[in-house]
Amino acid sequence: EIVLTQTPRSLSVTPGQPASISCRSSQSLLHSTGYTFFYWYLQKPGQPPQPLIYEVSNRFSGVPDRFSGSGSGTDFTLKISRVEAEDVGIYYCMQSKYLPTFGQGTKLEIK
Amino acid sequence: QVQLVESGGGVVQPGKSLRLSCAAAEFTFSNYAMHWIRQTPGKGLEWVAFISHNGSNYLYADSVTGRFTISRDNSKNRLFLQMNNLRPEDTALYHCAKGLHSGSWSFDYWGQGTLVTVSS
Repeated sequence: EIVLTQTPRSLSVTPGQPASISCRSSQSLLHSTGYTFFYWYLQKPGQPPQPLIYEVSNRFSGVPDRFSGSGSGTDFTLKISRVEAEDVGIYYCMQSKYLPTFGQGTKLEIK
Repeated sequence: QVQLVESGGGVVQPGKSLRLSCAAAEFTFSNYAMHWIRQTPGKGLEWVAFISHNGSNYLYADSVTGRFTISRDNSKNRLFLQMNNLRPEDTALYHCAKGLHSGSWSFDYWGQGTLVTVSS
């Protein structure tokens, strides 16, 4: 099983300031097709997870451009350029190169 | 907007069975793979099962293999999860999720979930 380790587990950010979350995989997520099956989701309070980023760096439809993803192989990062109040929740990374597994989650709160 | 509504959860004794259902709307259900994912406060998110768009391919997490069966009825836009021989560790909020394409192991939209509690 692929283990995804997220850091930090929580962060408190002032509105307008940037935020960054890392996710490290126990194995490379680069597939033989050249695709990297790595994703980010946000679970807002009281809601199911919603998609943010697919294949490392592509935003799903409707996701604000303040969200960006980067990385390769085993190390990935989600960045929020300017945090807004509506960004609070738990962020999860996920891989599907193998049977899907998730990171433990990173809770973002507003200062 | 994609709609996924789960039902069928409840309180059940260990060893018993339960059948979950997921009603899909606002997308062409028969074109997409579907998944079940469960969530607990302690273990977080755990992928449970996958079924391809036409039901010809399916996969299960090791923790449920041999006990759970995923199926779908494309004529009724419904996804199912038959859960047999339930264990206390199966207690969770069960979400259905839409695959990115017909055979995708990845997913985008999730339902709100239905709560399953396994307890004597």
